[in-house]
Amino acid sequence: AQSVTQLDSQVPVFEEAPVELRCNYSSSVSVYLFWYVQYPNQGLQLLLKYLSGSTLVESINGFEAEFNKSQTSFHLRKPSVHISDTAEYFCAVSDRSNTGKLIFGQGTTLQVKP
Amino acid sequence: EAGVAQSPRYKIIEKRQSVAFWCNPISGHATLYWYQQILGQGPKLLIQFQNNGVVDDSQLPKDRFSAERLKGVDSTLKIQPAKLEDSAVYLCASSLAWIPSTDTQYFGPGTRLTVL
Repeated sequence: AQSVTQLDSQVPVFEEAPVELRCNYSSSVSVYLFWYVQYPNQGLQLLLKYLSGSTLVESINGFEAEFNKSQTSFHLRKPSVHISDTAEYFCAVSDRSNTGKLIFGQGTTLQVKP
Repeated sequence: EAGVAQSPRYKIIEKRQSVAFWCNPISGHATLYWYQQILGQGPKLLIQFQNNGVVDDSQLPKDRFSAERLKGVDSTLKIQPAKLEDSAVYLCASSLAWIPSTDTQYFGPGTRLTVL
C-alpha cells in the first residue's frame, strides 16, 4: 500500500519570493508521482508528473519537482511566485499496476501575498 | 474540448435521505473515477470504471453507495441512506486510459454534499 504526506497544510509567501511545497511518500513498490493543483473555484488539474528518466520535471508555468528515491520525496519548487499561483496543491502517487489509482496527500494551500 | 461535467454542483439533504450525482466524462475517455474529498483531506478513490466495467471498488461503502456507468459513457453515484459523515465533495475524473497508471486524470468541478 502507498501513502503520501504533505508536510505543510498552509504556506504563506510574498510575491516574487521562492517557495517549496514538501511531499514525502511511502511505498513498497515503485511508483509514479504527480502534483495536481486546484485554483479557487476550479477543478483539480495536473501540474506535472514523474514517470521515469530525469528526476527533475518541470511545468509550463515555472514549477519544478525533483524525485528523490533515497529520501522518498517529490518536493515542488518555484523560484519566484505570482499572485496567480495562489491555490491548493496536491501530491499524489500511483503504483505501476494498470489501474491508475491515485493516492493523494492532504494538500497544501499556497497563499501568495502582494 | 469540453471538460468533465458534473451535476448538481451543490446538494443539501437530511441524514437517511438518498442522493444521486451525475458525471459526463470527456468524450473518448475510457476510464472514469469517482473520488470523495472530505474537508481538509485529499481525494480518496471510491470506484473506477474501465468502459462500463468496474476495475476497483475496494473503498466504496457498498452497504450505502452504488455506482453505474451506462454504455461506458455517463456515470451516476448514489448514496442511500446518507449519513452525516458522507458530507464531502464528490469528484469525477476521466482519462484516456491507454496506460492508466501514467495517464493524466481530468477532474470535474465536483459536487459539494452537505448532510444535516
